[in-house]
Amino acid sequence: GQQVMQIPQYQHVQEGEDFTTYCNSSTTLSNIQWYKQRPGGHPVFLIQLVKSGEVKKQKRLTFQFGEAKKNSSLHITATQTTDVGTYFCGSTGANSKLTFGKGITLSVRP
Amino acid sequence: GAVVSQHPSRVICKSGTSVKIECRSLDFQATTMFWYRQFPKQSLMLMATSNEGSKATYEQGVEKDKFLINHASLTLSTLTVTSAHPEDSSFYICSARALSRDGEQYFGPGTRLTVT
Repeated sequence: GQQVMQIPQYQHVQEGEDFTTYCNSSTTLSNIQWYKQRPGGHPVFLIQLVKSGEVKKQKRLTFQFGEAKKNSSLHITATQTTDVGTYFCGSTGANSKLTFGKGITLSVRP
Repeated sequence: GAVVSQHPSRVICKSGTSVKIECRSLDFQATTMFWYRQFPKQSLMLMATSNEGSKATYEQGVEKDKFLINHASLTLSTLTVTSAHPEDSSFYICSARALSRDGEQYFGPGTRLTVT
């Protein structure tokens, strides 16, 4: 797998606010995957980005892959309480091994 | 979507005993499955890559004789924690990569192991 970093590990927002988190690497990544893990649950695949500068949207979630393929962002518009959970980014190497970042745990105040 | 199951979902065992965890891909074939361990409020740490019909590949620091992995078919991989100790208590999660889907991994619901 390829090393990815997520900082900070926790973020608290007021319901309705926007939220953005980043995933960074010191090396060029072949891809970026984002997963969401609800409290007590298991990671669920959200999206994969492969192309430089790629942007994908899923309802209120916008995912972007940097031009240099060394970073990615996840933006949530108008957060809701259903958005709570831990968001992990990860990347796979040639051997398909997926390496996760430490994740960011989002809490939303109603 | 693709479904991965794990059994059991929770298990409590005594120190020194062995526990087997099953991971199944229910509606797709997976030549490769992955085993992760997750401690509370931490990220998932890859333990090993399970390859159908061949030996598993273990990550650095993971004892292959303690965590036995068998990938007997295209839909089943098992992880056996041998001679379990309290420090092995953790959340064990498997994932499978579908051949027909590019890079996407599907995770099982996880197994909560508690060693007393």
